[in-house]
Amino acid sequence: KQEVTQIPAALSVPEGENLVLNCSFTDSAIYNLQWFRQDPGKGLTSLLLIQSSQREQTSGRLNASLDKSSGRSTLYIAASQPGDSATYLCAGRFSGSARQLTFGSGTQLTVLP
Amino acid sequence: KAGVTQTPRYLIKTRGQQVTLSCSPISGHRSVSWYQQTPGQGLQFLFEYFSETQRNKGNFPGRFSGRQFSNSRSEMNVSTLELGDSALYLCASSLEVGQPQHFGDGTRLSIL
Repeated sequence: KQEVTQIPAALSVPEGENLVLNCSFTDSAIYNLQWFRQDPGKGLTSLLLIQSSQREQTSGRLNASLDKSSGRSTLYIAASQPGDSATYLCAGRFSGSARQLTFGSGTQLTVLP
Repeated sequence: KAGVTQTPRYLIKTRGQQVTLSCSPISGHRSVSWYQQTPGQGLQFLFEYFSETQRNKGNFPGRFSGRQFSNSRSEMNVSTLELGDSALYLCASSLEVGQPQHFGDGTRLSIL
C-alpha cells in the first residue's frame, strides 16, 4: 500500500525567509507527484506537478523536486510572504494504483509579518 | 474559464437520511474524481469517473456511490448517513485520467 507522509504538520516562519516543505512516499514506482495549497474552507489549488521522468519544476517563487530513489519530494518557497500562509499537501500517483491520487496529511504553514 | 463548481456548499442532514452532491467540471474535462476530507483521516479518494464509467474506486462502503452524465457533470450519493460521514467532500476534474486535477471548493456535509 502506498503511503505519503508530510513532516512537520505545522511550520511558522518570519516573512522573507526561504523554506522547504517535505514529502516522502513509500513506493518508488511513482507516476507523478503534485503539490497543492489549501486555504481554510476552500478546495485545493494545484501548484506544481512533477512527472516521474523529471527532477524538478518551477513556478515563480516555488520550486518542487522529486527523487524517486529516496522516495522524497520537496517544495521550496523563496522569500516567503504572509499570503503564503496555508496548508500545503503533496499527492502521488503510483503505477500500481490505477493512478488515483494518494495524499499526505499536509503541512500547515504560517508566515509571520 | 469557469472552474470546478460544487453544489451545494453546505448541507446539514440527520442520521439515516441520504444526500446527493453535484459537481460540474471545467469545460472540456472528461474525468471527475471525488474525495472525502476529514480532520482525522485527511484526504481520501472515493471514486473516479471518465466518459460516464467508473474507472477507479477507493475503499469506502457501498453506501457511497456516484455517476457521471454525458456532459461530464457528476453526482455522488451517500445513503443511510452516519455521524462519521461529516466531512468536506471535494470534486476534482481533469482532461483525462492521470492528468493534473483541478479542485472545486467542496461541499461541507454535517450530520446531526
